[in-house]
Amino acid sequence: QSALTQPASVSGSPGQSITISCTGTSGDVGGYNFVSWYQQHPGKAPKLMIYDVSNRPPGVSHRFSGSKSGNTASLTISGLQAEDEADYHCSSYTGGSAPYVFGTGTKVTVL
Amino acid sequence: EVQLEESGGGLVQPGGSLRLSCAASGLTVSSSYMNWVRQAPGKGLEGVSVIYRGDSTYYADSVKGRFTISRDNSKNTLHLQMNSLRAEDTAVYYCARRSQNAFDIWGQGTMVTVSS
Repeated sequence: QSALTQPASVSGSPGQSITISCTGTSGDVGGYNFVSWYQQHPGKAPKLMIYDVSNRPPGVSHRFSGSKSGNTASLTISGLQAEDEADYHCSSYTGGSAPYVFGTGTKVTVL
Repeated sequence: EVQLEESGGGLVQPGGSLRLSCAASGLTVSSSYMNWVRQAPGKGLEGVSVIYRGDSTYYADSVKGRFTISRDNSKNTLHLQMNSLRAEDTAVYYCARRSQNAFDIWGQGTMVTVSS
């Protein structure tokens, strides 16, 4: 199972909006509405930010939103803040031999 | 509070073995979909192994035949026995619960370094 493709880095200024893409295939992202997104600060464990493409767990800021079109899922961070600077990972359920797959990870920099 | 806490990482020579543990509180390991996920230095996340509620298991091809996932229900603990370790197994190992098709609870991770 190949990793989902994410851009290596995305940057934006405080207050701006940024979007991170996560591209897979019809066997994972495109075939199921089970995409999730994780935020990871340096030296820390990942934290669930979005599940089932666009749902936020309790306590996650509504500045974080998710969507999907075809084989590509997206995470949008609006009103970018310094604390949003972190690595972001997507993941999807798959219909193949592996139960899930992760993305390659994206480093978000707040300028 | 729901919590997972890993232990057992360390430095081991190539070909050696380590046993990781993940102690759970606030959730029941035996009725949860438990996972080991690793992250090599500077790299992304990689699913290593899963144990389902019915005790069936899954292993990534990269560890199949070398790693064994198990749980001790009496201690509410998840384990990962790692044998024949290779340099490419060097990573932070996280245990995580998967619920509603997402990893909602993560431990803090334990570092495994395979080097001579």
